[in-house]
Order: sequence, then C-alpha cells, then structure tokens
Amino acid sequence: GIQVEQSPPDLILQEGANSTLRCNFSDSVNNLQWFHQNPWGQLINLFYIPSGTKQNGRLSATTVATERYSLLYISSSQTTDSGVYFCAVEYLYSGYALNFGKGTSLLVTP
Amino acid sequence: ETGVTQTPRHLVMGMTNKKSLKCEQHLGHNAMYWYKQSAKKPLELMFVYSLEERVENNSVPSRFSPECPNSSHLFLHLHTLQPEDSALYLCASSQDLGDRGMEQFFGPGTRLTVL
Repeated sequence: GIQVEQSPPDLILQEGANSTLRCNFSDSVNNLQWFHQNPWGQLINLFYIPSGTKQNGRLSATTVATERYSLLYISSSQTTDSGVYFCAVEYLYSGYALNFGKGTSLLVTP
Repeated sequence: ETGVTQTPRHLVMGMTNKKSLKCEQHLGHNAMYWYKQSAKKPLELMFVYSLEERVENNSVPSRFSPECPNSSHLFLHLHTLQPEDSALYLCASSQDLGDRGMEQFFGPGTRLTVL
C-alpha cells in the first residue's frame, strides 16, 4: 500500500538548536504539505511543497520528488515549536486524500 | 471569522444519541473534506465533497452521514456510534479538485467522546 514514513518519531531539543525532520513517500505525488499540530489539535499549514525549496522565517523545507523525500528544517528552535509535525502527500493516481505520516513529536526545552 | 471553523469543539455523546458536527469555510473554496484522527492511527480521509457533490467515500460506516448543502458548509451527522469512534474529527477545504494537488486548509477539529 501507499506509505508515508516520517523520522525521527520523537525528538527532544534544547532551545536554540537546529533540527531536520524527514518524510519518505512511496509513489509520485501531486501535493506534499507539512503541518504543525498544536496541543489543541489544530493543524497549522507550514508548507505546500510538492517540489523545490521554500523558506518561511526559521523554517524551511525541501522536496526532491524524483527521490521521494522531503525535509523540514527548524533553525534556532523555540519552546513554541513543540508539538507534532506531520508530512502529508496526495498521490498522483489515488484520489483526493492527503495521506499522513505518523508524525514527529518535537519537544523543545528551555 | 476566517479560515475554517468547526463546532462544537468538544462533544460527549452516548451510543444511542444523534448529533451533528458543523464545518464552515470562509476561504471561497469549492472542495471540503472530513478527516478522522484516532489515538492509534494516522489521520485518515472519510469523505470529499466538490461543489456539494460527494466524490469520495473512504469506506466509512453508515453511522456517519455527511451533508454538504453549499460549498461553504459541511456537516457530519452521527448516530448510534461506538466507543471506538471517539476521535478528533477534522474538516478541511481546498480551492477545488479540478487540477488535483490543491493545498488543503484545516479547521481546529471536534474532539468526540462516545460513552
């Protein structure tokens, strides 16, 4: 079946540290999005990035569609970055669903 | 109101109750989605609507009944649910489905507990 794998599953950082989250997917995609889920469950859009590189403040993302992976970079992490980060993909030939990975749970300590 | 809103934010219901979840999008989009997030499973799609027509039903039990009266509103009617239906229900919208791969925007979710 279709697979979206995220690594690492859990990550603990000290404030100010940098990190890289990875998303591997098993087939060609129309859409790839990165989300941050806050403690209340809200999914916050970080990037819409089916290919290429984007930056937004301390966050940046790169998707290499031909090699079926995406990376989310968090620099100078802050405690407010804590939460779960999800990668989700819409596969080229399989309906309209975003298929989510299991997420990376990030805790940033002071 | 901006973005995608959902009401109620929390709901506790018995197995014999009937309740409805409401979603409204203020983005001018034409496609709307229901997703379910259970404690032990990844987020999964339940239904997709485009211009008020259901275009995808991801093998969801009939005790969940969606309704899309117009492109801004989406409901999920619930009846005779089971405790295992307890989950976070998330609504999303996108501009349309025509070109596929459109960015989806999510509401804050309704946390449902079935007793």
